[in-house]
Amino acid sequence: DAGITQSPRYKITETGRQVTLMCHQTWSHSYMFWYRQDLGHGLRLIYYSAAADITDKGEVPDGYVVSRSKTENFPLTLESATRSQTSVYFCASGTGTQETQYFGPGTRLLVL
Amino acid sequence: DQQVKQNSPSLSVQEGRISILNCDYTNSMFDYFLWYKKYPAEGPTFLISISSIKDKNEDGRFTVFLNKSAKHLSLHIVPSQPGDSAVYFCAASTTGNTPLVFGKGTRLSVIA
Repeated sequence: DAGITQSPRYKITETGRQVTLMCHQTWSHSYMFWYRQDLGHGLRLIYYSAAADITDKGEVPDGYVVSRSKTENFPLTLESATRSQTSVYFCASGTGTQETQYFGPGTRLLVL
Repeated sequence: DQQVKQNSPSLSVQEGRISILNCDYTNSMFDYFLWYKKYPAEGPTFLISISSIKDKNEDGRFTVFLNKSAKHLSLHIVPSQPGDSAVYFCAASTTGNTPLVFGKGTRLSVIA
């Protein structure tokens, strides 16, 4: 199906574990983004990518790693999960930073 | 420091009346503004945008007004409908490859 998908939709993990959240888009958008949504903070940008093999930090990148070997995929890895990383994570894609972004359905992550 | 501020965390409006959601920004370099709407358990979806060369943009029941001198924009929904109940995010960007900056969101409740 066309669009942007995220997996898993829900994840429970333990402190110190590595977790990877997947994002896949079928529009061939050059830009992809990772946000986290927390109460009282709105949407905060973690990392973004302008094209395959090009990534850049956002507002809250610490504790996260991204890669973009293919245009359509933009996985987000928490190398050693902490409780403060409990959040809802949204992936988005778009044709430019100033253009409309299209968001995935989100991944709800709980770190125990 | 927050560059995009939505100072009202919530707003309650009666069905059929006007909803006005406000957004202030501090960065005078912002030249493109967007509103996104988010339902629970879904990703945000684009609603309407405005470029800094305009002071108004209208799309059906939704109108965005931009006051550059006051660094203020507002989203008007007329008439409000129960299906408009959602969280609304204001976002802004500058020309060039810099990502969108989002506000914290305003939760709109339209009461039948």
